[in-house]
Amino acid sequence: NAGVTQTPKFQVLKTGQSMTLQCAQDMNHEYMSWYRQDPGMGLRLIHYSVGAGITDQGEVPNGYNVSRSTTEDFPLRLLSAAPSQTSVYFCASSSGQGGTYNEQFFGPGTRLTVL
Amino acid sequence: GNSVTQMEGPVTLSEEAFLTINCTYTATGYPSLFWYVQYPGEGLQLLLKATKADDKGSNKGFEATYRKETTSFHLEKGSVQVSDSAVYFCALKGIQGAQKLVFGQGTRLTINP
Repeated sequence: NAGVTQTPKFQVLKTGQSMTLQCAQDMNHEYMSWYRQDPGMGLRLIHYSVGAGITDQGEVPNGYNVSRSTTEDFPLRLLSAAPSQTSVYFCASSSGQGGTYNEQFFGPGTRLTVL
Repeated sequence: GNSVTQMEGPVTLSEEAFLTINCTYTATGYPSLFWYVQYPGEGLQLLLKATKADDKGSNKGFEATYRKETTSFHLEKGSVQVSDSAVYFCALKGIQGAQKLVFGQGTRLTINP
């Protein structure tokens, strides 16, 4: 059981470039999400998905796209990178949804720098 | 909207000292409350949780009690170890909104031998 995996671990982009951060989980979890972590601000939710084919916006969705074609994968796309997107990105997954909380499992993170 | 406020860090203690990291929240109804820990170079791990008022979550010697009257969920440990050095996040899940978590800003804890 690999849990939640993220690639790459580190990435440097130039302003305007595009890239996709990969996230995969092998626990058959329905719920997946992307957070960004910035100094002094904790983690903020970017996008989330409650199942294959269903995605929704979180607190800070601008500049990011997601899709969920399979249960296992939840890629995050930056269409035109900006320096404000320099951050550490975490993917998380959990089983279930709704009123009952199920533990979220986090990936190791991707550290992104936009020059 | 929902929000979480943690005490400012960083916090530096000596081994075997008593630890308190304050956390207060703003939310409607009765949210679920969590402490997550992030060790260097790793993702977040759930440390403990409480889902209703007066519940006490505990794990690895850490404890936190859900206080509805003071809207608080302070993290405590009686005797810290060097291995407890990490960043600690307080978080809540509201009564609505799937599994979405709202995090505090995090508190970096360093324990010196």
